[in-house]
Amino acid sequence: AQKVTQAQTEISVVEKEDVTLDCVYETRDTTYYLFWYKQPPSGELVFLIRRNSFDEQNEISGRYSWNFQKSTSSFNFTITASQVVDSAVYFCALGIYDKIIFGKGTRLHILP
Amino acid sequence: DGGITQSPKYLFRKEGQNVTLSCEQNLNHDAMYWYRQDPGQGLRLIYYSQIVNDFQKGDIAEGYSVSREKKESFPLTVTSAQKNPTAFYLCASSNLATASNEQFFGPGTRLTVL
Repeated sequence: AQKVTQAQTEISVVEKEDVTLDCVYETRDTTYYLFWYKQPPSGELVFLIRRNSFDEQNEISGRYSWNFQKSTSSFNFTITASQVVDSAVYFCALGIYDKIIFGKGTRLHILP
Repeated sequence: DGGITQSPKYLFRKEGQNVTLSCEQNLNHDAMYWYRQDPGQGLRLIYYSQIVNDFQKGDIAEGYSVSREKKESFPLTVTSAQKNPTAFYLCASSNLATASNEQFFGPGTRLTVL
């Protein structure tokens, strides 16, 4: 079975704190992609990052960083020095062949 | 500007009526998708199409219908058979030539059944 689990339904942190969003996936396929999307209050999903199953290098982009660990089937997302504009729902997703399977999302509140 | 447009942004319908949601893309993408999102839930796939005049059911196709007469357009009809149609509907497209099948999303249509 293919599945994405985001155990944190909702998180609240004070601005400037670091926050990590967890993502655990399940698949028997050896070739797959992992994604993170951001959904601000406007509703549109904004692509943040893509990772293929053969590339376990961690990535940093500004205040965002991603930790991919195949051994634990996890693809966690960390926001450093959070800002109010980071408030949104964040979705982790698993891409296999022509489909993408989404987790249920984590709603992140950044409090001023 | 290249992108995906969905119209209308908000849609109200009376129970028992069919309604069609529009989705257009000018990214020259082969594949297009329709998802449904309910509060506190992830996205669930309704239908998808990889080529003109062909489409496949997703996980929750019952009560919905689609057509793909043009590469750029993938309208979704919510029929009266859909028992709980109030939701946020997102359309997406992807370039099948890329191995990752990264999907790009439109702004969504919020459908409310009165």
